[in-house]
Amino acid sequence: DTAVSQTPKYLVTQMGNDKSIKCEQNLGHDTMYWYKQDSKKFLKIMFSYNNKELIINETVPNRFSPKSPDKAHLNLHINSLELGDSAVYFCASGGSGEKLFFGSGTQLSVL
Amino acid sequence: AQSVTQPDIHITVSEGASLELRCNYSYGATPYLFWYVQSPGQGLQLLLKYFSGDTLVQGIKGFEAEFKRSQSSFNLRKPSVHWSDAAEYFCAVGAAAGNKLTFGGGTRVLVKP
Repeated sequence: DTAVSQTPKYLVTQMGNDKSIKCEQNLGHDTMYWYKQDSKKFLKIMFSYNNKELIINETVPNRFSPKSPDKAHLNLHINSLELGDSAVYFCASGGSGEKLFFGSGTQLSVL
Repeated sequence: AQSVTQPDIHITVSEGASLELRCNYSYGATPYLFWYVQSPGQGLQLLLKYFSGDTLVQGIKGFEAEFKRSQSSFNLRKPSVHWSDAAEYFCAVGAAAGNKLTFGGGTRVLVKP
């Protein structure tokens, strides 16, 4: 079983649309993250949830909204997509003091 | 498909000793290579990267890494570790353009007094 799974792997959409990326982990971790891989391949943290509670919220547009229905899921919803939102988005999870486990990434292309 | 292997899951070193973390990658062309550090309870921080040029790259916190194409390796080194270097270290590889990063499984570094 995949430890951290995110869907879809690829997402191509038009500007102005609203889309969601889903992430699920079966590791029993309390903390989940969303990272954005920018055009230079640097990873930047966007959000972190611990047991459904938002604990890290970096400076991202409020068009991005994480949603955590339970501690095994952290979805990323993006409203009014813009060209600059094109990137790869990684979900990750980690328990207290544990290393991160990454999803395989979602490549978002906004046309 | 690209892949990254970090053969050592755990490494324990004494404070002041040298440290080397191994990273082997599989990729058909010249890769972009990264080392990230995850300190306890925190997100990832970029230590250093290799895109092209000098194969010995210097990073933050006194770390360096050497790209060896013949060995498909990008090992991370530090001459003298500090207790604050105790963390999880991730090697990652990406294609020259467009493709997403692929991460190794991570190496946990423990530092003994």
